[in-house]
Amino acid sequence: EAQVTQNPRYLITVTGKKLTVTCSQNMNHEYMSWYRQDPGLGLRQIYYSMNVEVTDKGDVPEGYKVSRKEKRNFPLILESPSPNQTSLYFCASSPQGYYGYTFGSGTRLTVV
Amino acid sequence: KNQVEQSPQSLIILEGKNCTLQCNYTVSPFSNLRWYKQDTGRGPVSLTIMTFSENTKSNGRYTATLDADTKQSSLHITASQLSDSASYICVVSGPPGNTPLVFGKGTRLSVIA
Repeated sequence: EAQVTQNPRYLITVTGKKLTVTCSQNMNHEYMSWYRQDPGLGLRQIYYSMNVEVTDKGDVPEGYKVSRKEKRNFPLILESPSPNQTSLYFCASSPQGYYGYTFGSGTRLTVV
Repeated sequence: KNQVEQSPQSLIILEGKNCTLQCNYTVSPFSNLRWYKQDTGRGPVSLTIMTFSENTKSNGRYTATLDADTKQSSLHITASQLSDSASYICVVSGPPGNTPLVFGKGTRLSVIA
């Protein structure tokens, strides 16, 4: 089944403790992206990747890192999480960045 | 500035009734417009996608329209069901290598019995 898999689905952590949210897609898509979704603000892009070893900042990249060493994986790294990064996070992939996105099921992160 | 505005912000309708959601955009150049359905706490799922030359596209009880001249789109839901309760998000994209996706903030639809 074609899908984008995120893990974990839920995560509670403490301020400053590094964490990684994984994202994997099995559709051989070039384009992958991370979004956060907060009440009243809609989906905002954090980082995106056009292909392996190619990443770029989205609208709200501060406090996040990503890597794209393989085509299928696009992990989101929070080196020193803060409470303002408490949010619902989505990973998405697309064969090309402007067409046909598939979203993961989301990761609800709480930083206390 | 590239923007996507959706209205209304929220809507409550009775089961079986029809409704129409609106999306206005200023994204230019334009490549395509998508409507997504997002259940609470879940990832958005694509309903329709339309390019510049398409002005109507249907997916079951969902019908999307696009007027590229006025930069407006609508999503019409026919004979609503309780399972239609969700947020509906309009997303506009420019051509490859151009503007990344621009998301609307969504319309929260509640269908009640």
